[in-house]
Amino acid sequence: DGGITQSPKYLFRKEGQNVTLSCEQNLNHDAMYWYRQDPGQGLRLIYYSQIVNDFQKGDIAEGYSVSREKKESFPLTVTSAQKNPTAFYLCATWDGSYNEQFFGPGTRLTVL
Amino acid sequence: DAKTTQPPSMDCAEGRAANLPCNHSTISGNEYVYWYRQIHSQGPQYIIHGLKNNETNEMASLIITEDRKSSTLILPHATLRDTAVYYCIVRPAGGNQFYFGTGTSLTVIP
Repeated sequence: DGGITQSPKYLFRKEGQNVTLSCEQNLNHDAMYWYRQDPGQGLRLIYYSQIVNDFQKGDIAEGYSVSREKKESFPLTVTSAQKNPTAFYLCATWDGSYNEQFFGPGTRLTVL
Repeated sequence: DAKTTQPPSMDCAEGRAANLPCNHSTISGNEYVYWYRQIHSQGPQYIIHGLKNNETNEMASLIITEDRKSSTLILPHATLRDTAVYYCIVRPAGGNQFYFGTGTSLTVIP
């Protein structure tokens, strides 16, 4: 079953702790993305990666870090420097054959 | 990048056609119009995209005006499961980044 897996669906952390959100895909897509969504708002781009071992900052990269060591995986770390980390986080890939962006189910992070 | 403007909310009776408008008056000639929808607390789902011509697939139709400054997404027979936020997005030419606004919250009423 091809797709994007984000785990866990709900994540709770204490303020000041770093937390890593998982994103795995078996679609064989080169490009991967991380978005953040706040209540009632659209999606904002955090980081994206066009290819393994390469990634670029999006519009709101401050307080976040990523790695892309494998084509299938693009984990996002929310650091303690992110002032307001509580949000819904979405991972996506890009299908260049059909020119579509595919999204995972998302992880809802709550920092207490 | 071209920006889009959508009404914040719309209602539609179940079984009727839902027509969702989008303005993109600053769109460039080689930028595509995309539509996605998001059901609460899920990832956005691709619906359809187009450049100049009208497009139709199993989910919806996309009507783009001749001057390309606006478009309309048509869900021909809306069901309760079509209740979602619908995003109209313009994709930069040669790029694969999407810029999401706040979309239109469509409520299908029984």
